[in-house]
Amino acid sequence: GAGVSQSPSNKVTEKGKDVELRCDPISGHTALYWYRQSLGQGLEFLIYFQGNSAPDKSGLPSDRFSAERTGGSVSTLTIQRTQQEDSAVYLCASSPRQGLGEQYFGPGTRLTVT
Amino acid sequence: EDQVTQSPEALRLQEGESSSLNCSYTVSGLRGLFWYRQDPGKGPEFLFTLYSAGEEKEKERLKATLTKKESFLHITAPKPEDSATYLCAVQAQVQGGSEKLVFGKGTKLTVNP
Repeated sequence: GAGVSQSPSNKVTEKGKDVELRCDPISGHTALYWYRQSLGQGLEFLIYFQGNSAPDKSGLPSDRFSAERTGGSVSTLTIQRTQQEDSAVYLCASSPRQGLGEQYFGPGTRLTVT
Repeated sequence: EDQVTQSPEALRLQEGESSSLNCSYTVSGLRGLFWYRQDPGKGPEFLFTLYSAGEEKEKERLKATLTKKESFLHITAPKPEDSATYLCAVQAQVQGGSEKLVFGKGTKLTVNP
């Protein structure tokens, strides 16, 4: 079946611009997660959705970062006024239900801020 | 704070040369420990979940084990196609809270023919 998809696969933007990253989870998966992977660093948790609600936003690095999920499906991560330190691969994952550990990852969006 | 440390950072093996990767963790109540494989330019691919000390899981040439403080990923007679970065992650038991995974930085495995 179809896995988690993300778009765009690559995004180059100028410092100060806003960007939107999209995630389509596996159909029927109620839990959705965003992570960030920087060069030489491990995956860093950003935000977790259960349905359309976000019980844990603790990983968002600043108020320039926000995310939403609509219809219990698609999610958008928005970064306002991008900075060079925002350059990273942004990964989305989904899980069939709350409390089940396995998270299935998409291919990621590589963001480069120039 | 929950932490995951993986060692070694990089490992080079000859085809057929068995070895083990280590994942040490500290967590306030372990819900599960997860192993993923990540190929360059791709997202992590789920391999195993381990829930309690003494548990073992196997898949082809890979075997994961768990103790109260660490997990090992044993690779038996590896092939070049096993070359990848192997990631370990933990999920803590948090009431009414996060389902997040805390990841280690990974072990980059290279298997030479």
